[in-house]
Amino acid sequence: AQSVTQLGSHVSVSEGALVLLRCNYSSSVPPYLFWYVQYPNQGLQLLLKYTSAATLVKGINGFEAEFKKSETSFHLTKPSAHMSDAAEYFCAVSGYNFNKFYFGSGTKLNVKP
Amino acid sequence: DAGVIQSPRHEVTEMGQEVTLRCKPISGHDYLFWYRQTMMRGLELLIYFNNNVPIDDSGMPEDRFSAKMPNASFSTLKIQPSEPRDSAVYFCASSSQLTYEQYFGPGTRLTVT
Repeated sequence: AQSVTQLGSHVSVSEGALVLLRCNYSSSVPPYLFWYVQYPNQGLQLLLKYTSAATLVKGINGFEAEFKKSETSFHLTKPSAHMSDAAEYFCAVSGYNFNKFYFGSGTKLNVKP
Repeated sequence: DAGVIQSPRHEVTEMGQEVTLRCKPISGHDYLFWYRQTMMRGLELLIYFNNNVPIDDSGMPEDRFSAKMPNASFSTLKIQPSEPRDSAVYFCASSSQLTYEQYFGPGTRLTVT
């Protein structure tokens, strides 16, 4: 079975500080992993994906994530937060059926000036 | 490409009325997904189609919900009769089996009074 756990429903950082959003997954097969961002009143937008190539994945808007099999983690990071990064972030995993995603409960990122 | 298109963007209806939500996937995509997002339950997969055929409808909450995909460029999600607890944002997403990335539409915000 596949599942995703996002630790921390709310994360608050200061502008310019490191952003770290945590995602742990459970999968009975080698997973594909994704991070999406949702701005208020909008749909989800793909930030980045891991599909068994390089373990460090770079995405849009300066975000990156590292796949760590030993820790079953796929944490999202950005070296320096910007006010425009304030949004909700979702981690997702796919399993046997690569087209069906299992989403985490989301983490709302607040960026303080 | 115009992306995934959903209509209407907002729908307000009275309890007991029929509601039909519409989705046009990205051209060339062979998977289509319907999700529901609420504060309490987060993002839930309702049903998904592959090549216009429903594959997994285990997330459809009850018989009041039905979904169709008559052709590759159109899908509907119908609720009949609607109830206040159906109030949510409904998202449509599409993907290609070549890349697995799901692209989301802007959503339909449904309010049932």
